[in-house]
Amino acid sequence: DAKTTQPNSMESNEEEPVHLPCNHSTISGTDYIHWYRQLPSQGPEYVIHGLTSNVNNRMASLAIAEDRKSSTLILHRATLRDAAVYYCILGSSNTGKLIFGQGTTLQVKP
Amino acid sequence: IAGITQAPTSQILAAGRRMTLRCTQDMRHNAMYWYRQDLGLGLRLIHYSNTAGTTGKGEVPDGYSVSRANTDDFPLTLASAVPSQTSVYFCASSEAGTSSNEQFFGPGTRLTVL
Repeated sequence: DAKTTQPNSMESNEEEPVHLPCNHSTISGTDYIHWYRQLPSQGPEYVIHGLTSNVNNRMASLAIAEDRKSSTLILHRATLRDAAVYYCILGSSNTGKLIFGQGTTLQVKP
Repeated sequence: IAGITQAPTSQILAAGRRMTLRCTQDMRHNAMYWYRQDLGLGLRLIHYSNTAGTTGKGEVPDGYSVSRANTDDFPLTLASAVPSQTSVYFCASSEAGTSSNEQFFGPGTRLTVL
């Protein structure tokens, strides 16, 4: 299974944009890029996913590099409720398996 | 809409005892999953099921068994619990067993094995 690399932690100020990077240099052509987040004492929550093109939804945007070896999750205006662990995950198109790494802990300062 | 429910919320269990963690979803999803999360780490897949009547092994299946008798329920059984199985267990489901589908997670069961 292909792996991802993320910074252990990041900080942001409230109301500012946040760019969370992820490297996945061994991604295969059919792997989807998923982002989930986990708030304290809760189960993971889906944020966004994509294959090749950039994606937008009400929560965030996903920017995927042209060679697909990296991606960036963009939170347009961070709020205190966005403080969480953010996981970048590659999902094999053949199965629904998600292999979680340790994620990036995002701290949002007021 | 309930989504995914898990029971119990938490449990303290003596080593050697048998324990079944329950998971039920009301979204008629075909695929279901069990993960464990140890302190400070990401989730690891234990077992999964792409459709009722079928199951498969994840990253860390040893010491656990599952069954999928119907679409809604996916119980996880520890036949003889050991302290290393102390963890938080999350159940999840998705419409289909492919990675293009979003997974929905339950609230988790905190299990302590003494």
